[in-house]
Amino acid sequence: GAGVSQSPSNKVTEKGKDVELRCDPISGHTALYWYRQSLGQGLEFLIYFQGNSAPDKSGLPSDRFSAERTGGSVSTLTIQRTQQEDSAVYLCASSLALAGPYEQYFGPGTRLTVT
Amino acid sequence: GENVEQHPSTLSVQEGDSAVIKCTYSDSASNYFPWYKQELGKGPQLIIDIRSNVGEKKDQRIAVTLNKTAKHFSLHITETQPEDSAVYFCAARHQNNNDMRFGAGTRLTVKP
Repeated sequence: GAGVSQSPSNKVTEKGKDVELRCDPISGHTALYWYRQSLGQGLEFLIYFQGNSAPDKSGLPSDRFSAERTGGSVSTLTIQRTQQEDSAVYLCASSLALAGPYEQYFGPGTRLTVT
Repeated sequence: GENVEQHPSTLSVQEGDSAVIKCTYSDSASNYFPWYKQELGKGPQLIIDIRSNVGEKKDQRIAVTLNKTAKHFSLHITETQPEDSAVYFCAARHQNNNDMRFGAGTRLTVKP
């Protein structure tokens, strides 16, 4: 079946603009995660959703970052007033449930470049 | 919170040799340890995982070992092939939290 999809695959934006990144999880997966991967670095956890709710937003790096998930499926990560340090690959993953099994399946990522 | 350290950051081996990547974690309440392989331009793909009630797991040329007392786990790839070249990430998941902490990654190069 279809895996996790993300759009756009690449986004170039000017500093100060807002961007929206989209994630479409695997059908039936109730848990959804957002990560950030800076060049040559590991994955930084940002936020997870169980259904439509996000119990823990402490991983978001600043209040310019927000995420929502409606209908228990598609999620959008919004970055307001983008800064150059926001440049990274943003990865989305989904899993069947938070309580297990824990296997997370990743999308291809959105490469964000802030000029 | 959980802190995962991964070594080495780069590893180069000859085709056919074995490769070992090691990770340590800080929180003894972590109970799930996956390994991901990331090829250029792609998202990470789960290749093997282990839960805290198991000490070792093997899948063909890939094996993972877990030492709960020492809080470290390792990925072993035997008979390496050029297509094994990628960045490998370890991760640890706390049994009560729902975020996954990743290591910084190991770039494995298998020379033909």
